Amino acid sequence: SQKIEQNSEALNIQEGKTATLTCNYTNYSPAYLQWYRQDPGRGPVFLLLIRENEKEKRKERLKVTFDTTLKQSLFHITASQPADSATYLCALGGSYIPTFGRGTSLIVHP
Amino acid sequence: DAGVIQSPRHEVTEMGQEVTLRCKPISGHNSLFWYRQTMMRGLELLIYFNNNVPIDDSGMPEDRFSAKMPNASFSTLKIQPSEPRDSAVYFCASSPTGVNQETQYFGPGTRLLVL
Repeated sequence: SQKIEQNSEALNIQEGKTATLTCNYTNYSPAYLQWYRQDPGRGPVFLLLIRENEKEKRKERLKVTFDTTLKQSLFHITASQPADSATYLCALGGSYIPTFGRGTSLIVHP
Repeated sequence: DAGVIQSPRHEVTEMGQEVTLRCKPISGHNSLFWYRQTMMRGLELLIYFNNNVPIDDSGMPEDRFSAKMPNASFSTLKIQPSEPRDSAVYFCASSPTGVNQETQYFGPGTRLLVL
């Protein structure tokens, strides 16, 4: 069955460092992959989408890579700030109905 | 734009009672999704509508759950009778057609507690 894995342990980093979150998947050939941010008590908010034929995509301090051979996406936040602390969800899709991972919590310490 | 609107934001009810959750999608969006989020299972898709028509309800856990979309600006998710295991946060999301059709815009969620 399809499986999406995100590290269940929180990632703790110091302000100013680069945060790297991982999304691995199995038994899936997604046409695209998305990253969402979720703050406590709120719904997920879309950040970035990368398609299967793209290797990398950037938006301001965010960078996403997509390796369909390794079946893995890496999500980077450069120059991290305490305001970046949140849970980050990856979502994979073949149509326009994405399947979500359970998310990884990021905590940026001042 | 007001975004996706959900009501109520919080609901506490007793086992056996009927619960109705409401959603108003973003104007102009053609697709609407209902999700349930728990610590154990993460974010699960319950049902998906396109142009007010249910397309995929395979995620609806059982017959106690039903969803309707009578028009493009309103949808309901009903649980009857409710059970303690239905306690979760229920999200509604909508997405546009065209270039950004894969992007989902989530509402703030309804936190449901069934005692």
